[in-house]
Amino acid sequence: GAVVSQHPSWVICKSGTSVKIECRSLDFQATTMFWYRQFPKQSLMLMATSNEGSKATYEQGVEKDKFLINHASLTLSTLTVTSAHPEDSSFYICSARDREQFFGPGTRLTVL
Amino acid sequence: AQKITQTQPGMFVQEKEAVTLDCTYDTSDPSYGLFWYKQPSSGEMIFLIYQGSYDQQNATEGRYSLNFQKARKSANLVISASQLGDSAMYFCAMREGRNTGNQFYFGTGTSLTVIP
Repeated sequence: GAVVSQHPSWVICKSGTSVKIECRSLDFQATTMFWYRQFPKQSLMLMATSNEGSKATYEQGVEKDKFLINHASLTLSTLTVTSAHPEDSSFYICSARDREQFFGPGTRLTVL
Repeated sequence: AQKITQTQPGMFVQEKEAVTLDCTYDTSDPSYGLFWYKQPSSGEMIFLIYQGSYDQQNATEGRYSLNFQKARKSANLVISASQLGDSAMYFCAMREGRNTGNQFYFGTGTSLTVIP
């Protein structure tokens, strides 16, 4: 089946720094990718829909300036958490659409 | 209203027994898809089974089967012959419409623990 990768798989950073998470579709081209956030023992919450070549569509309550999304190519979308704070610590998962949607393995972000 | 409701935050099952995880959904779209995912402690979302709204028969995938009751808007997951490796979080999800790129709506999940 189709494969979606995320990098890094985990990251620890200091408060105030920015962190970039990459989501790649390895064997298909994805015009649409989704970014989710998951707090411990909770469900996945959709943050934004990333469309190749256009601006991302953010869900209500998600700060566009804090969570920058770039979908510059059909195989890569990036999520940048700017000026990260401890409350941004979470598990971030992307999914990419081929004929179906496939999920990446997730990135665990810890902000100290 | 919640699109997907999972009312069992935690479940326990004896090894080799069957277990049913509940899921109800809410949509006015006649075309939709229902999914179950398993999320072990590693975090990855593992696809288990899919049921389309127009499918006449309940979906089955190995030890997984989906008890689809359209009139009741329920899509319960049945795991037969539970194994220790089945211990994980299980999420029910729905996608409305025919477009496979439409967003997923997830339930709050059920934590399953298989007891030896």
